[in-house]
Amino acid sequence: AQSVTQLGSHVSVSEGALVLLRCNYSSSVPPYLFWYVQYPNQGLQLLLKYTSAATLVKGINGFEAEFKKSETSFHLTKPSAHMSDAAEYFCAVSDQGGFQKLVFGTGTRLLVSP
Amino acid sequence: EPEVTQTPSHQVTQMGQEVILRCVPISNHLYFYWYRQILGQKVEFLVSFYNNEISEKSEIFDDQFSVERPDGSNFTLKIRSTKLEDSAMYFCASSERSRGDGYTFGSGTRLTVV
Repeated sequence: AQSVTQLGSHVSVSEGALVLLRCNYSSSVPPYLFWYVQYPNQGLQLLLKYTSAATLVKGINGFEAEFKKSETSFHLTKPSAHMSDAAEYFCAVSDQGGFQKLVFGTGTRLLVSP
Repeated sequence: EPEVTQTPSHQVTQMGQEVILRCVPISNHLYFYWYRQILGQKVEFLVSFYNNEISEKSEIFDDQFSVERPDGSNFTLKIRSTKLEDSAMYFCASSERSRGDGYTFGSGTRLTVV
């Protein structure tokens, strides 16, 4: 069964600092991997996705993530945090074939201080 | 940009009542999904639907739940006899293809069972 583990339910950074949100996955087959962002009282917005092409994936709002098979990781980074980045971030995994559901991690709340 | 539309945004219902949550997927999408997020917890898969039938369902999706595509545009989730623990945000999603990389999520319906 697939799963993702997000280390740290809360991450606090200062505005302008590096953002690093961790995600490790478990999958018996090559996975697709995703990062979603959820702002308060809103839905899920796709930040970026890995679908077996380039291992370094660039997304919206300056975020990027690197797929590392050897480490089974897909950490999300942003060089310089902005106040508007404060939100809940979810890592998710799915198989590459069939009618594939997404399996989400427990989420990491990013707090950005001035 | 095409959107998945969910109505209502918030519904309050009494325990034991039936509720229907409505979704309008993107018009050329063929795969439909419902997910649930209990407050403060991770997003969980409920059911996937393709070609007018359920393709996969989770353990959460018991006999109290049903889905339907009553016409060419709507996709509904019915909970027959709501329980307090059904209180959650329910997200509809649609996808053009079966792979997990093409999802678009709606903004959700917050269901409160009292």
